[in-house]
Order: sequence, then structure tokens, then C-alpha cells
Amino acid sequence: EVQLVESGGGLVQPGGSLRLSCAASGFTFSSYEMNWVRQAPGKGLEWVSYISSSGSTIYYADSVKGRFTISRDNAKNSLYLQMNSLRAEDTAVYYCAREVVVVPAARYLGWGQGTLVTVSS
Amino acid sequence: SSELTQDPAVSVALGQTVRITCQGDSLRSYYASWYQQKPGQAPVLVIYGKNNRPSGIPDRFSGSSSGNTASLTITGAQAEDEADYYCNSRDSSGNQVFGGGTKLTVL
Repeated sequence: EVQLVESGGGLVQPGGSLRLSCAASGFTFSSYEMNWVRQAPGKGLEWVSYISSSGSTIYYADSVKGRFTISRDNAKNSLYLQMNSLRAEDTAVYYCAREVVVVPAARYLGWGQGTLVTVSS
Repeated sequence: SSELTQDPAVSVALGQTVRITCQGDSLRSYYASWYQQKPGQAPVLVIYGKNNRPSGIPDRFSGSSSGNTASLTITGAQAEDEADYYCNSRDSSGNQVFGGGTKLTVL
């Protein structure tokens, strides 16, 4: 069974840092592109960051560029999101999402259960 | 453009058919995938590709696409289909992009 389990969320003050982790199991983690997606309370889904299967290609949403760093450890089947200089508007549930490529033009995301990050003083 | 546009809210009578649409330039290059999200839960994939349902998704859910518009159709909507629905694709830069979501109410 494919599983993605996020951890590391919590309450942090503005300007602080937090590191999210996502433990993957049930599939060959090193073969899959991965993403972080977030959802602010009462709002829609917002893509945050992408990393290729090897880690060589990385993208960020403009809203987090320069503050967040995505990484992965294929030996540990784990995905990470280092979040620095956190702002109130970063408050959200953060989801780890596996990108499944059916054909290049047809992809979908498989989701973890999410971890809540609250930025507040 | 890297945006996907959805109607914020749609309603349907129990047992009737409803179509939820998603518009965006990226849909000319990529199929949309569709996710159902109920309160307090993670999104669940309901449609991907041309018109594919994951295992466990009822066949009342179907998808279609034309030009820059993708559609999710629920034929014979049930009370348990009441949820938020999001479309998703990739933009030309390789980034994921989501629609703003459609809140479906089953009357």
C-alpha cells in the first residue's frame, strides 16, 4: 500500500523556521517526482514546491522562493521541506504529494494526510 | 497563463447530473486531474488523464476535455458527493497548478 506520512508541523513564531518531513512507503520512492502542496484554513490548494526523482531539478512557487528549500533522501525514502523566515500567511496544512506520470500529458498526485503549520506569535 | 479557473460553487438535486468545469491555457497541453476533498480530509483523486477513474471511484464520475476546458461530470449525484472539487494540471514551466475549487452542494 502506498503511504505518505508527513511530520514536523506545529506552532512557530513569525520569522522562525520549521522542517517538514514526509516518509514514503509502498512504492519505489527514488523513481517518483515529488511535490509539497499547502492549503490555508478555508482556502484552496496551493502548490509550493517540486523536486525531480533524482533531486536534480527543483521548482518553487513565487510565494516561497528564497525562504523554503525542498530536498529528498532516496536512501531513506524521505522528502523534506525546510521553511525559513515564516510568515503568518504560511499558516496551512502542508501535504506531501507523489506525482504519478501515466503519459507525459497525463499526471496525477497521490497525497499524504498533511501536517498543520501555524505561524503566530 | 498558469491559472486554472473554476466556478466557486455549484448545486445539484439528488440523483441529477452536474458538470464542474475548469479552464486554463495549460489544459491545451496537459489533461486535468480532479480531486474531491471533504472537510478535514486530504484530497482524493477521482479522475485523471483522458477519462480514467482510480480503483474505488464510482462510475458516476467521468471526465472530458475540449480545447482549454476540462470537465468533471457526476451522473446521478449522491449525498456523499457533496464536497470541494479541484482541478489540477502542469503549466508550461513544469509547475503544478490548481483551480480555485468548486464547492458542490447536493440538494
